[in-house]
Amino acid sequence: QKEVEQNSGPLSVPEGAIASLNCTYSDRGSQSFFWYRQYSGKSPELIMFIYSNGDKEDGRFTAQLNKASQYVSLLIRDSQPSDSATYLCAVKNAGSYQLTFGKGTKLSVIP
Amino acid sequence: EPEVTQTPSHQVTQMGQEVILRCVPISNHLYFYWYRQILGQKVEFLVSFYNNEISEKSEIFDDQFSVERPDGSNFTLKIRSTKLEDSAMYFCASSPLRGRMNTEAFFGQGTRLTVV
Repeated sequence: QKEVEQNSGPLSVPEGAIASLNCTYSDRGSQSFFWYRQYSGKSPELIMFIYSNGDKEDGRFTAQLNKASQYVSLLIRDSQPSDSATYLCAVKNAGSYQLTFGKGTKLSVIP
Repeated sequence: EPEVTQTPSHQVTQMGQEVILRCVPISNHLYFYWYRQILGQKVEFLVSFYNNEISEKSEIFDDQFSVERPDGSNFTLKIRSTKLEDSAMYFCASSPLRGRMNTEAFFGQGTRLTVV
């Protein structure tokens, strides 16, 4: 059974701070890792994806992947109140078409 | 910016009735998916579709479910005889093909299905 685990939160950070969101996965065959943002009642919105160990930066967002530890994280710099949402970690295996999602971490950015 | 569109946004149906949820994937995408999210729970994979056939399906996607691409633009999910536990938000998604990999999935706004 493939599992993707996230701390459900809520994670509260002050405006302007760095928010750090973490995700672990159980299947060592996982190859692609995705972060989605989901506002309440809305659909998942892709933020970024990462395939290789290390860091990947896109604007205020940095994804970090450590396959040996089966760990992926998302850092949000200069957090804004509009970043308040649930962040979903999703994992895909090589040759598979499906994403396995975690339950998400609810982030609250306090003005 | 291209987006996945879904209709209707909300569907209420009686238990035992058939429903069809519709989706128009992003036009140059080749992989199509249906996911669902029961209120307060995680997003769950139902089925993927590529080259006019099902590529992969989950245990949730039993004989009550079917998918179809009736023309060059629409992608549909049919539930033959709805149950109360089918009540959920259903998301359609699509992915481009990059090299040999299907990659990031872009989600539509969802159809909220309520079975009464």
